Amino acid sequence: DQQVKQNSPSLSVQEGRISILNCDYTNSMFDYFLWYKKYPAEGPTFLISISSIKDKNEDGRFTVFLNKSAKHLSLHIVPSQPGDSAVYFCAASEIYGLTFGEGTQLTVNP
Amino acid sequence: GAVVSQHPSRVICKSGTSVKIECRSLDFQATTMFWYRQFPKQSLMLMATSNEGSKATYEQGVEKDKFLINHASLTLSTLTVTSAHPEDSSFYICSGIGDRGSYNEQFFGPGTRLTVL
Repeated sequence: DQQVKQNSPSLSVQEGRISILNCDYTNSMFDYFLWYKKYPAEGPTFLISISSIKDKNEDGRFTVFLNKSAKHLSLHIVPSQPGDSAVYFCAASEIYGLTFGEGTQLTVNP
Repeated sequence: GAVVSQHPSRVICKSGTSVKIECRSLDFQATTMFWYRQFPKQSLMLMATSNEGSKATYEQGVEKDKFLINHASLTLSTLTVTSAHPEDSSFYICSGIGDRGSYNEQFFGPGTRLTVL
């Protein structure tokens, strides 16, 4: 049973445009959500997080939106840069531990 | 963010041997460490949670006698894959939380790629 799902395995965008990565979850007990970025052969790097008491969190070019009623979160990257090309994992947490989605491969074309 | 290191980064071993992977928090004290496993094209799977000084809590389906976890200090956790077999070949990642960041913010190591021949 996949509690965190990223339905798009890949996304390709043009440099300078917006990248939108989506994530859905089923466990209503999740109260903290995170996005990680992962380059090949490396561990994931924490990117941005959001608590369930908020619906938006912004950090530079990265904004995470949370829609609790829809059990959906998204990561917006504006403007997208070629260096953003990586696999992006969303993750959800109840207290400790993380449940990860399958990841979305983002490719930003120059 | 805080720094977590893993050693070795890559290991190749023969079937039946044991392999130890070290996870160190370099600039913070990790009261809790997690071990994850990732198969190709799959998400990270939590294997176990360990709190410093106590026994690890294993996720369902993870054999605790095969994957020995020790968290003897606030900066070091080890995962030993005992009697490794080819199906244990995978990418193993540790993470830690402690006195850096929010309690939910985990800092990941770079991972260890294990290949069992």
